[in-house]
Amino acid sequence: GQNIDQPTEMTATEGAIVQINCTYQTSGFNGLFWYQQHAGEAPTFLSYNVLDGLEEKGRFSSFLSRSKGYSYLLLKELQMKDSASYLCAPKWVSAGGGNKLTFGTGTQLKVEL
Amino acid sequence: GAVVSQHPSRVICKSGTSVKIECRSLDFQATTMFWYRQFPKQSLMLMATSNEGSKATYEQGVEKDKFLINHASLTLSTLTVTSAHPEDSSFYICTSDSGATEAFFGQGTRLTVV
Repeated sequence: GQNIDQPTEMTATEGAIVQINCTYQTSGFNGLFWYQQHAGEAPTFLSYNVLDGLEEKGRFSSFLSRSKGYSYLLLKELQMKDSASYLCAPKWVSAGGGNKLTFGTGTQLKVEL
Repeated sequence: GAVVSQHPSRVICKSGTSVKIECRSLDFQATTMFWYRQFPKQSLMLMATSNEGSKATYEQGVEKDKFLINHASLTLSTLTVTSAHPEDSSFYICTSDSGATEAFFGQGTRLTVV
């Protein structure tokens, strides 16, 4: 399995910027996803990184450093609707050769006025 | 984009009965489907990998006789929770193989065993 570490909770102010960090084991690493999940709903895809560097997508950006086993999700111009759980999910190649996704515990982000 | 349709979205069943959850890939062929379970305020935990035409691969600690997985076609994978108990109450969700740049999730199934 993969050891994934991300903060449990974060609080930020509407209109601000927040960075959610994630570290993971690198064994068999083959890319990393970030998902947003509202309570009781399926996760929603936010970003995918496989190469080092920053991927920008509107208000959301994601960064990856493969050598450090580190990624972060950057949310700009925070809105109340961004209050959700953010899941870091490394993709890795299993012993059988297929890809697997393992999810972190998620970071519960609360956006306040 | 690709769509995975999961049914039912919610189900309540009596203890001791079995419940079947279906995941269909609507516009692509899913040779592999993953089944996850999520308890309240916890992460998604991989239960098993469903492979079309072959036996599923279960993660450590998951009872394969209790959670029966069938992947008889390239568009349908099913998870049957047999002899359900209250502790099986959870959110079950399937996702397609993430060989591409995105894993496509079903809508999830909220199972409540009473």
